Amino acid sequence: DAKTTQPPSMDCAEGRAANLPCNHSTISGNEYVYWYRQIHSQGPQYIIHGLKNNETNEMASLIITEDRKSSTLILPHATLRDTAVYYCIVRVSVGSGGSNYKLTFGKGTLLTVNP
Amino acid sequence: EPEVTQTPSHQVTQMGQEVILRCVPISNHLYFYWYRQILGQKVEFLVSFYNNEISEKSEIFDDQFSVERPDGSNFTLKIRSTKLEDSAMYFCASRSDGTDTQYFGPGTRLTVL
Repeated sequence: DAKTTQPPSMDCAEGRAANLPCNHSTISGNEYVYWYRQIHSQGPQYIIHGLKNNETNEMASLIITEDRKSSTLILPHATLRDTAVYYCIVRVSVGSGGSNYKLTFGKGTLLTVNP
Repeated sequence: EPEVTQTPSHQVTQMGQEVILRCVPISNHLYFYWYRQILGQKVEFLVSFYNNEISEKSEIFDDQFSVERPDGSNFTLKIRSTKLEDSAMYFCASRSDGTDTQYFGPGTRLTVL
Protein backbone atom coordinates (compact mmCIF):
# COMPACT_ATOMS: atom_id res chain seq x y z
CA ASP A 1 0.00 0.00 0.00
CA ALA A 2 1.04 3.56 -0.65
CA LYS A 3 2.60 5.23 2.38
CA THR A 4 1.33 8.68 1.41
CA THR A 5 -1.89 10.67 1.71
CA GLN A 6 -2.86 13.36 -0.77
CA PRO A 7 -6.03 15.38 -1.37
CA PRO A 8 -7.99 13.89 -4.28
CA SER A 9 -8.24 17.15 -6.20
CA MET A 10 -7.14 20.77 -6.26
CA ASP A 11 -7.70 23.77 -8.48
CA CYS A 12 -5.25 26.47 -9.39
CA ALA A 13 -5.47 29.62 -11.51
CA GLU A 14 -3.16 29.84 -14.50
CA GLY A 15 -0.01 31.80 -13.68
CA ARG A 16 -0.36 31.23 -9.96
CA ALA A 17 1.73 28.90 -7.83
CA ALA A 18 0.27 25.45 -7.26
CA ASN A 19 1.08 23.98 -3.85
CA LEU A 20 0.36 20.26 -3.61
CA PRO A 21 0.55 18.75 -0.12
CA CYS A 22 1.47 15.20 0.84
CA ASN A 23 1.52 13.41 4.18
CA HIS A 24 3.97 10.57 4.73
CA SER A 25 3.95 10.23 8.51
CA THR A 26 5.38 6.68 8.53
CA ILE A 27 8.38 7.45 6.35
CA SER A 28 11.68 5.93 7.49
CA GLY A 29 14.88 7.88 7.85
CA ASN A 30 16.45 6.66 4.61
CA GLU A 31 13.36 6.69 2.39
CA TYR A 32 13.12 9.24 -0.40
CA VAL A 33 10.03 11.14 -1.45
CA TYR A 34 9.33 11.24 -5.17
CA TRP A 35 6.87 13.25 -7.19
CA TYR A 36 5.56 12.12 -10.57
CA ARG A 37 2.67 13.33 -12.67
CA GLN A 38 0.45 11.66 -15.24
CA ILE A 39 -1.35 13.54 -17.96
CA HIS A 40 -4.41 11.61 -19.19
CA SER A 41 -3.19 8.02 -19.60
CA GLN A 42 0.34 8.90 -20.61
CA GLY A 43 3.34 7.40 -18.84
CA PRO A 44 4.15 8.89 -15.45
CA GLN A 45 6.56 11.80 -15.75
CA TYR A 46 9.26 12.35 -13.15
CA ILE A 47 9.20 15.75 -11.48
CA ILE A 48 11.51 15.82 -8.47
CA HIS A 49 12.65 13.86 -5.44
CA GLY A 50 14.29 14.51 -2.09
CA LEU A 51 15.37 13.01 1.20
CA LYS A 52 15.69 15.76 3.80
CA ASN A 53 16.62 19.02 2.15
CA ASN A 54 14.42 21.18 -0.01
CA GLU A 55 15.03 20.64 -3.69
CA THR A 56 14.45 22.73 -6.79
CA ASN A 57 14.75 21.99 -10.47
CA GLU A 58 13.45 23.50 -13.68
CA MET A 59 9.99 22.03 -13.15
CA ALA A 60 9.24 22.47 -9.47
CA SER A 61 10.34 22.88 -5.89
CA LEU A 62 10.00 20.28 -3.14
CA ILE A 63 9.67 21.41 0.45
CA ILE A 64 10.10 18.67 3.06
CA THR A 65 9.26 19.40 6.68
CA GLU A 66 11.99 19.01 9.25
CA ASP A 67 10.36 15.91 10.76
CA ARG A 68 9.94 14.54 7.19
CA LYS A 69 6.34 13.60 7.85
CA SER A 70 5.00 15.79 5.08
CA SER A 71 6.08 17.60 1.96
CA THR A 72 4.78 20.12 -0.56
CA LEU A 73 5.35 20.21 -4.29
CA ILE A 74 5.33 23.73 -5.67
CA LEU A 75 4.77 24.55 -9.33
CA PRO A 76 5.75 28.24 -9.31
CA HIS A 77 3.73 29.42 -12.30
CA ALA A 78 1.11 26.86 -13.26
CA THR A 79 0.02 26.61 -16.88
CA LEU A 80 -2.90 24.78 -18.47
CA ARG A 81 -0.48 22.03 -19.51
CA ASP A 82 0.22 21.31 -15.85
CA THR A 83 -3.28 19.87 -15.46
CA ALA A 84 -2.56 16.29 -14.44
CA VAL A 85 -2.67 13.75 -11.62
CA TYR A 86 0.26 14.34 -9.28
CA TYR A 87 1.63 11.44 -7.29
CA CYS A 88 3.64 11.69 -4.10
CA ILE A 89 5.52 8.42 -3.60
CA VAL A 90 7.79 7.05 -0.91
CA ARG A 91 10.41 4.89 -2.52
CA VAL A 92 10.49 1.26 -1.36
CA SER A 93 13.72 -0.73 -1.66
CA VAL A 94 13.52 -4.14 -3.35
CA GLY A 95 15.90 -7.02 -3.92
CA SER A 96 19.19 -7.43 -2.15
CA GLY A 97 21.94 -4.87 -1.92
CA GLY A 98 19.72 -1.86 -1.37
CA SER A 99 20.36 -0.35 -4.80
CA ASN A 100 17.01 -1.13 -6.40
CA TYR A 101 13.54 0.14 -5.60
CA LYS A 102 9.97 0.14 -6.77
CA LEU A 103 7.44 2.94 -6.90
CA THR A 104 4.13 2.39 -5.12
CA PHE A 105 1.59 4.77 -6.57
CA GLY A 106 -1.45 5.98 -4.69
CA LYS A 107 -4.44 7.74 -6.19
CA GLY A 108 -2.66 11.08 -6.35
CA THR A 109 -4.07 14.60 -6.60
CA LEU A 110 -5.87 15.75 -9.72
CA LEU A 111 -4.63 19.29 -10.26
CA THR A 112 -6.80 21.33 -12.57
CA VAL A 113 -5.29 24.59 -13.79
CA ASN A 114 -8.02 27.01 -14.81
CA PRO A 115 -7.67 29.91 -17.27
CA GLU B 1 16.66 13.88 -24.66
CA PRO B 2 16.71 10.05 -24.50
CA GLU B 3 13.34 8.40 -23.97
CA VAL B 4 11.92 5.01 -23.17
CA THR B 5 9.90 3.76 -26.14
CA GLN B 6 7.22 1.08 -26.24
CA THR B 7 5.55 -0.86 -29.03
CA PRO B 8 2.84 -1.32 -29.98
CA SER B 9 0.90 1.64 -28.64
CA HIS B 10 -2.29 -0.44 -28.70
CA GLN B 11 -2.65 -4.21 -28.81
CA VAL B 12 -5.95 -6.01 -29.18
CA THR B 13 -6.02 -9.75 -28.56
CA GLN B 14 -8.42 -12.57 -27.92
CA MET B 15 -8.66 -14.15 -24.49
CA GLY B 16 -6.24 -17.07 -24.18
CA GLN B 17 -3.78 -15.70 -26.73
CA GLU B 18 -0.16 -14.88 -25.98
CA VAL B 19 1.03 -11.29 -26.24
CA ILE B 20 4.47 -9.75 -26.12
CA LEU B 21 4.85 -6.11 -25.20
CA ARG B 22 8.10 -4.47 -26.20
CA CYS B 23 10.14 -1.74 -24.64
CA VAL B 24 13.39 -0.07 -25.59
CA PRO B 25 14.88 1.40 -22.42
CA ILE B 26 17.22 4.37 -22.40
CA SER B 27 20.52 3.08 -23.74
CA ASN B 28 22.83 3.19 -20.72
CA HIS B 29 20.21 2.11 -18.22
CA LEU B 30 20.61 -1.13 -16.28
CA TYR B 31 17.42 -1.41 -14.20
CA PHE B 32 14.16 -2.23 -15.97
CA TYR B 33 10.59 -2.27 -14.72
CA TRP B 34 7.07 -3.04 -15.81
CA TYR B 35 4.02 -1.39 -14.27
CA ARG B 36 0.39 -1.60 -15.27
CA GLN B 37 -2.66 0.60 -14.86
CA ILE B 38 -6.15 -0.77 -15.22
CA LEU B 39 -8.50 1.93 -16.50
CA GLY B 40 -9.43 4.32 -13.73
CA GLN B 41 -7.18 2.64 -11.18
CA LYS B 42 -3.72 3.15 -9.69
CA VAL B 43 -0.43 2.43 -11.39
CA GLU B 44 0.77 -0.94 -10.03
CA PHE B 45 4.28 -2.35 -9.92
CA LEU B 46 4.70 -5.68 -11.70
CA VAL B 47 8.37 -6.57 -11.87
CA SER B 48 11.90 -5.30 -11.60
CA PHE B 49 14.74 -6.72 -13.73
CA TYR B 50 18.47 -6.21 -13.21
CA ASN B 51 21.58 -8.09 -14.29
CA ASN B 52 19.52 -10.47 -16.43
CA GLU B 53 17.28 -11.61 -13.65
CA ILE B 54 14.13 -10.62 -11.82
CA SER B 55 15.01 -8.79 -8.63
CA GLU B 56 11.45 -8.27 -7.41
CA LYS B 57 7.96 -9.11 -8.56
CA SER B 58 4.50 -8.38 -7.26
CA GLU B 59 1.75 -10.89 -6.59
CA ILE B 60 0.17 -9.81 -9.87
CA PHE B 61 3.20 -11.17 -11.73
CA ASP B 62 2.20 -14.84 -11.68
CA ASP B 63 3.29 -17.74 -13.89
CA GLN B 64 1.43 -16.28 -16.85
CA PHE B 65 3.89 -13.40 -16.99
CA SER B 66 7.53 -13.43 -18.00
CA VAL B 67 10.16 -10.84 -18.87
CA GLU B 68 13.20 -11.02 -21.06
CA ARG B 69 16.00 -8.87 -22.36
CA PRO B 70 16.62 -10.78 -25.56
CA ASP B 71 19.19 -8.71 -27.35
CA GLY B 72 20.73 -6.08 -25.09
CA SER B 73 18.41 -3.31 -26.21
CA ASN B 74 14.85 -4.58 -25.94
CA PHE B 75 13.01 -5.50 -22.78
CA THR B 76 9.85 -7.54 -23.22
CA LEU B 77 6.85 -8.55 -21.15
CA LYS B 78 5.08 -11.73 -22.24
CA ILE B 79 1.64 -12.77 -21.10
CA ARG B 80 1.19 -16.44 -22.00
CA SER B 81 -2.58 -16.79 -21.96
CA THR B 82 -4.35 -13.49 -21.66
CA LYS B 83 -7.44 -12.98 -19.54
CA LEU B 84 -10.05 -10.26 -19.72
CA GLU B 85 -8.66 -8.74 -16.52
CA ASP B 86 -5.25 -8.27 -18.15
CA SER B 87 -6.73 -5.37 -20.12
CA ALA B 88 -4.74 -2.35 -18.97
CA MET B 89 -2.05 0.17 -19.87
CA TYR B 90 1.37 -1.39 -19.44
CA PHE B 91 4.26 0.95 -18.73
CA CYS B 92 7.92 0.14 -19.03
CA ALA B 93 10.47 2.14 -17.01
CA SER B 94 14.23 2.17 -16.82
CA ARG B 95 16.94 3.61 -14.60
CA SER B 96 20.67 3.97 -14.80
CA ASP B 97 22.99 2.62 -12.14
CA GLY B 98 24.12 6.02 -10.97
CA THR B 99 20.81 7.81 -10.56
CA ASP B 100 17.70 7.52 -8.45
CA THR B 101 15.12 8.22 -11.13
CA GLN B 102 12.93 5.81 -13.08
CA TYR B 103 11.88 7.08 -16.50
CA PHE B 104 8.66 5.78 -17.95
CA GLY B 105 7.65 5.01 -21.51
CA PRO B 106 4.36 6.12 -23.07
CA GLY B 107 2.70 2.77 -22.44
CA THR B 108 0.97 0.02 -24.42
CA ARG B 109 -2.77 -0.24 -24.14
CA LEU B 110 -3.68 -3.93 -24.06
CA THR B 111 -7.28 -4.84 -24.78
CA VAL B 112 -8.32 -8.46 -24.24
CA LEU B 113 -11.61 -9.45 -25.88
